[in-house]
Amino acid sequence: QVQMVESGGGVVQPGRSLRLSCAASGFAFSGYGMHWVRQAPGKGLEWLAVISYDGRNEYYADSVKGRFTISRDNSKNMLYLQMNSLRGEDTAVYYCARNQRPTLINPADWGQGTRVTVSS
Amino acid sequence: EIVLTQSPATLSLSPGERATLSCRASQSISNYLAWYQQKPGQAPRLLIYDASNRATGIPARFSGSGSGTDFTLTISSLEPEDVAVYYCQQRKDWPPLTFGGGTKVEIK
Repeated sequence: QVQMVESGGGVVQPGRSLRLSCAASGFAFSGYGMHWVRQAPGKGLEWLAVISYDGRNEYYADSVKGRFTISRDNSKNMLYLQMNSLRGEDTAVYYCARNQRPTLINPADWGQGTRVTVSS
Repeated sequence: EIVLTQSPATLSLSPGERATLSCRASQSISNYLAWYQQKPGQAPRLLIYDASNRATGIPARFSGSGSGTDFTLTISSLEPEDVAVYYCQQRKDWPPLTFGGGTKVEIK
């Protein structure tokens, strides 16, 4: 079955960097766009970024543009989120999600998330 | 950026009752609206896409309607396992994809 497992979260000091990973299985990873979405404690969902199936196209929310980078390795069925210059407001659970299909840009299948806490 | 406003913030109903959740967009988004369910401690799950299409495996008691700026998610007969926060999301004008603030559904 379709599965995404995020890892790499933890406690990090403001201004530092962290890289999140998402291991995908149960589907043809190289055929799907992939998203990152986050949820701050007690808050709603915030879409962060999407990458095309082949890695050639990336799109970001303004809140993370220039600080976060989405990437993928189709040979390893892995999705990544490089997060630099972290701030307190980046504290959240970070989810990776498979896009529904090329003509439907919706995060359709979600991992269980990894928690990131930015604190000194 | 398109803003989605959900109402009510909380809905408290008895089992078997009909639940009606609203999502209003700040500008027309045609039918490019999805609904998600997030149960406590779990990841979100896609329920409805393009306003009225149920995603794979979603029970028939969930239905969506609307177009333009006003959308509705209906749970025809509320079950205890439907306790969750429900979010709408638009894909008409992206990036960014945007979500509403959520409606919490409780059982009386």
